[in-house]
Amino acid sequence: GIQVEQSPPDLILQEGANSTLRCNFSDSVNNLQWFHQNPWGQLINLFYIPSGTKQNGRLSATTVATERYSLLYISSSQTTDSGVYFCAVVGNTGKLIFGQGTTLQVKP
Amino acid sequence: GAGVSQTPSNKVTEKGKYVELRCDPISGHTALYWYRQSLGQGPEFLIYFQGTGAADDSGLPNDRFFAVRPEGSVSTLKIQRTERGDSAVYLCASSATRGEQFFGPGTRLTVL
Repeated sequence: GIQVEQSPPDLILQEGANSTLRCNFSDSVNNLQWFHQNPWGQLINLFYIPSGTKQNGRLSATTVATERYSLLYISSSQTTDSGVYFCAVVGNTGKLIFGQGTTLQVKP
Repeated sequence: GAGVSQTPSNKVTEKGKYVELRCDPISGHTALYWYRQSLGQGPEFLIYFQGTGAADDSGLPNDRFFAVRPEGSVSTLKIQRTERGDSAVYLCASSATRGEQFFGPGTRLTVL
């Protein structure tokens, strides 16, 4: 099956800093989603981005499907950005395959 | 409703007992998914419904796990003879056919 790898596994930032999270996947995918899991466990949709670039406020994402990776950019980080960021891909079967996540801590 | 809802939010049970977990998808979403998340891990797929039928149940770990969606809306995940290893957060998601998936808040299951 498709393998999804995220890096880095852990990231500590000072408030106001920028960061880039990476997601590599091992095969062609139909869809890709980025999520933020908050401290209460809720998965919040950030981007639905099988290819191309999207921006939403301080967050943006780029997926290069031909090279099998996606990047999530966080600019001017805030303490509320803390949590776990997951990348998940969909192959031919419809189910999401998740990476192990990047745990982000933003310090005030 | 506005989003995916799941009940109960927490369930504590004893080893060997039977449990049912419920998921109410976003209105109009034809696809419904169950995932399970253990501590420190990403969610793992269990089963996918398209309408009333299970389109893919390859993630169910064994025959103690079963899920239904009789009217193509609400789904129930059923676990028989629970074991301590079943303890996890059970997540439900829904989507328009093969579209973006939206998750509920999860049910935290603890098997003592």
